[in-house]
Amino acid sequence: AQKVTQAQTEISVVEKEDVTLDCVYETRDTTYYLFWYKQPPSGELVFLIRRNSFDEQNEISGRYSWNFQKSTSSFNFTITASQVVDSAVYFCALSEPRTSGTYKYIFGTGTRLKVLA
Amino acid sequence: KAGVTQTPRYLIKTRGQQVTLSCSPISGHRSVSWYQQTPGQGLQFLFEYFSETQRNKGNFPGRFSGRQFSNSRSEMNVSTLELGDSALYLCASSISGTGAFFGQGTRLTVV
Repeated sequence: AQKVTQAQTEISVVEKEDVTLDCVYETRDTTYYLFWYKQPPSGELVFLIRRNSFDEQNEISGRYSWNFQKSTSSFNFTITASQVVDSAVYFCALSEPRTSGTYKYIFGTGTRLKVLA
Repeated sequence: KAGVTQTPRYLIKTRGQQVTLSCSPISGHRSVSWYQQTPGQGLQFLFEYFSETQRNKGNFPGRFSGRQFSNSRSEMNVSTLELGDSALYLCASSISGTGAFFGQGTRLTVV
């Protein structure tokens, strides 16, 4: 069965520390996409990154970086030199094609990150 | 390109009433999904619409229903509101499996 696990419920760090958010997924499909979303207190889920199952290149975008490893079914997210504005709930997600022709999005339970000044 | 628009942003309703929430997807996106998020909970999938048809449904009672119009806009209705229906309702639009884009949500409070 498809599943996304974010084992870290809540993480607290002090500003400027690096922090890694873990994501482990399960799927039988060979073609799928992985995502990270950020949910600030305002509520909207903000799309951060997408990775397809054939692209294991790590990606860096400013202070954010993502490490995708198919061998361990993990898609971890690292924030370097964290800032208070990074405080939010972060969701990892997986999308797979359904037989209905649409796509199923499976979300992890989220990791609440608190960055303390 | 405009994002996903949800209206209203906030609602307060009384137990027993019904409520309708609206979602306008990103232009060109034909798939609209609805999620319920309660405090401390993850995203609970409600249902998905594609080309005016409900394609998938989550494990929610029949009091939760929805529809999609020919312009892909979607509405979600909850009848006979209960206190436990208080939540953030999020709508997401997508064009394929390459990403679901969310609106700001409607925060429903049932008193």
